Order: sequence, then C-alpha cells, then structure tokens
Amino acid sequence: DGGITQSPKYLFRKEGQNVTLSCEQNLNHDAMYWYRQDPGQGLRLIYYSQIVNDFQKGDIAEGYSVSREKKESFPLTVTSAQKNPTAFYLCASTSGTGVHEQYFGPGTRLTVT
Amino acid sequence: DAKTTQPPSMDCAEGRAANLPCNHSTISGNEYVYWYRQIHSQGPQYIIHGLKNNETNEMASLIITEDRKSSTLILPHATLRDTAVYYCIVRALFEAAGNKLTFGGGTRVLVKP
Repeated sequence: DGGITQSPKYLFRKEGQNVTLSCEQNLNHDAMYWYRQDPGQGLRLIYYSQIVNDFQKGDIAEGYSVSREKKESFPLTVTSAQKNPTAFYLCASTSGTGVHEQYFGPGTRLTVT
Repeated sequence: DAKTTQPPSMDCAEGRAANLPCNHSTISGNEYVYWYRQIHSQGPQYIIHGLKNNETNEMASLIITEDRKSSTLILPHATLRDTAVYYCIVRALFEAAGNKLTFGGGTRVLVKP
C-alpha cells in the first residue's frame, strides 16, 4: 500500500534535547511538507521541500531543521532552540506543484518536559 | 491572514445531510476552494475541491455561489465516522510558497446518533 509513514506515534523528550521525527513516503512524490498543530488550532507550515537536496522555510521555521537527501524521506529535527516544541507534527506530500491533493501522514505527538 | 471564515462547531443527526458553510469573500479568480477533514489525532484527509462549478465525489458535494464568495460542503448522509474537524481552504494552484495549505480553525462537526 502506498502512503506516508511517520514514526513514532508518540515521542517524549526532556527539555534541551534535540529530537528527530521521521517521515517516509512511497508515493514517488516530489514535494514534502512539515506542519505543526497545537491543541484546537489549525496547521502551520514549518518547512517544505519541492525536490531532493532543496528545502524552504515555512511560516514557523525557527527552532527546526530538515534535510532531503532522498526523495522518499524528509526528517524534521526539533532543536533545543524551539521554545514550545510540544505539539502534534504532521508530514505531507504531493506529486508536485499544480496538483490539488495533499496526502498526510498519521502524525507524531511530541511532548517535551 | 485568514482567507476563510467557518462556524466553530455544528451538530448533525446521523443519517441526515450535513451542510457546512464557508465564507471566502476575498477569493481571487485563480484560487480554488478545498475541503479537508481531520478526525481526532489523525492527519487531515482531502475531501473535494472546486473552482467555479459545483462538484461531487463519493465523499461529498461542494456548492460554490455564483460570485464565489462562499461555498457549502454537503455530506449527504452523515455517519458517526464523519465526526471530525472540517477545514475550508482557498488557494491558487500555483503558489510561490510551494503549494502549501493554510489551515484556519475549521468547523468541529459532531454527528449524533
């Protein structure tokens, strides 16, 4: 089955630690995205990548970093510089610009204490 | 900037049609109307999109007013599994920021037995 996988579903970290969230897709999609969702709120774009080895900052990139070394993978690192890292993180992909539908993964809920 | 306005919540009886309104009075001529839904603690799911004409698929119907300033998503026979937050999004197909989706607060729909 084609789709987007995010692991783990739940992640717990201590304050001051960096943590990397995994996102893998086997849809052969060119573009991938990371969104953050806080309780009761909509999604906000952190980073996106339209092609391998290239990525762009979204609306709330501070305190986050990404890489896109492979087409199918787009990991997100939440660094210690992110002031409020506890949130629900969603990865998405699409086959490129000019495409209507974005596919989302199941999300990773990160709790930092 | 919020491009859409949706009621924060609504209830619907199981088996009845659910009509979800969305105002987008500043929509541009090249912007589409998209609907996604998010079941609790899952990633958003694409439902339908339209430009000017009414659209229907296996999940829902989308009615867009002639002036395109508002639209209605119709779930013809709501089931308990349709309980979710529904997001109305307007977006041009080719955007500078790589096809990102901008999510507002959405409408929390509760389908009751």
